[in-house]
Amino acid sequence: EPEVTQTPSHQVTQMGQEVILRCVPISNHLYFYWYRQILGQKVEFLVSFYNNEISEKSEIFDDQFSVERPDGSNFTLKIRSTKLEDSAMYFCASRAGGSYNEQFFGPGTRLTVL
Amino acid sequence: AQTVTQSQPEMSVQEAETVTLSCTYDTSENNYYLFWYKQPPSRQMILVIRQEAYKQQNATENRFSVNFQKAAKSFSLKISDSQLGDTAMYFCAFMKLYYNRDDKIIFGKGTRLHILP
Repeated sequence: EPEVTQTPSHQVTQMGQEVILRCVPISNHLYFYWYRQILGQKVEFLVSFYNNEISEKSEIFDDQFSVERPDGSNFTLKIRSTKLEDSAMYFCASRAGGSYNEQFFGPGTRLTVL
Repeated sequence: AQTVTQSQPEMSVQEAETVTLSCTYDTSENNYYLFWYKQPPSRQMILVIRQEAYKQQNATENRFSVNFQKAAKSFSLKISDSQLGDTAMYFCAFMKLYYNRDDKIIFGKGTRLHILP
């Protein structure tokens, strides 16, 4: 069964460093998402991406964040200068086109900022 | 803006018992989807059940069923014959019905469910 994959599973970085979180969505999917979950809190929407551009972003998704689909298969989330409060689980999701299709979530990347 | 509220931070039940998790939401939309997601210790997000707001019939998936009360904006999850593998965090979630466009899923804070042997 096709699945969304994410790498790495755990990333440790120093405050101020840039990180890139990678996702490989399901191959025929058209819509892509990033969510994050700070430990012990709810899952929050960050950004949605369709047709090579951002469709919607939350107030969390400030200038430090960017997304890209560089090669038609990967979908990346970049944090330019990480802060301690960026420590969280980051989930990628994707869905097919149409009026409703389930968003399939990846297993997540745990980001720890020291 | 839409909000999702789960008033039970944590629950415990004995294996084989039935448990109901509560969820209320607020929206001005008429067409939307509601979901229950399961997040086991692995932290993978797993869709348990989905309800379309335009359907009056409550959704069921094997041991999982919902009680959807649209007027009351209530969406509870019932787990029958609970199993140890049901131990997880459960999130209630909302998504607008937006034809052929993406939209974000809005999650509640979750209910941590412990199934006791």
